[in-house]
Amino acid sequence: EMVMTQSPATLSVSPGERATLSCRASQSVSSNLAWYQQRPGQAPRLLIYDASTRATDIPARFSGSGSGTEFSLTISSLQSEDFAVYYCQQYNTWPPALTFGGGTKVEIK
Amino acid sequence: QVQLVESGGGVVQPGRSLRLSCAASGFTFSNNIMHWVRQAPGKGLEWVAVISDDGRNKYYADSVKGRFTMSRDNSKNTLYLQMNSLRVEDTAVYYCARDRGDYDFWSGYYTFDYWGQGTLVTVSS
Repeated sequence: EMVMTQSPATLSVSPGERATLSCRASQSVSSNLAWYQQRPGQAPRLLIYDASTRATDIPARFSGSGSGTEFSLTISSLQSEDFAVYYCQQYNTWPPALTFGGGTKVEIK
Repeated sequence: QVQLVESGGGVVQPGRSLRLSCAASGFTFSNNIMHWVRQAPGKGLEWVAVISDDGRNKYYADSVKGRFTMSRDNSKNTLYLQMNSLRVEDTAVYYCARDRGDYDFWSGYYTFDYWGQGTLVTVSS
């Protein structure tokens, strides 16, 4: 089973600062990795797919990088609406066995 | 605009059944691969199942295989999840989600670009 591990579990950041979130796969997923944002009480929202491509209408302050087993999501200057939980998801297995990381909560410092 | 509206959640005893629905609008439903994803209270996301655009092909997570059945009615723009032999650990918010659709069903390259608001299923005696 493909296991996705996110770190840290919680990240405390001040508004305007930079945040870097990590996601590690238990085996290579190539670039088949996505990132989602989930605000409290809301459904997740797709931010990044194919490791580094921003989804439609996602601000440029969100960027993704990495390949293989190590990935990161960077938020260049945190806005108030960015405080949320972020999940990575791999889609490199067949038959499909999509798996998510456990999430990183970005909270206000 | 794209809308996905789930319904059918509720409280059910272990071993019983429940059927969820997801009404889609704002896009050509019959052209899209669709998914169910769930989230236990206070926990992370778990993919449940996927169905091809024509409904002929489906795959399930091991945790629900043999108990859950996904289907769709393209004439009604509606997605379904029939859940049998429910367990306490099936308690979760169930989301229907549209596949982003850049890849063929057989690629397995699935990501979710639109989500419903979710419906809560509670399995408890």
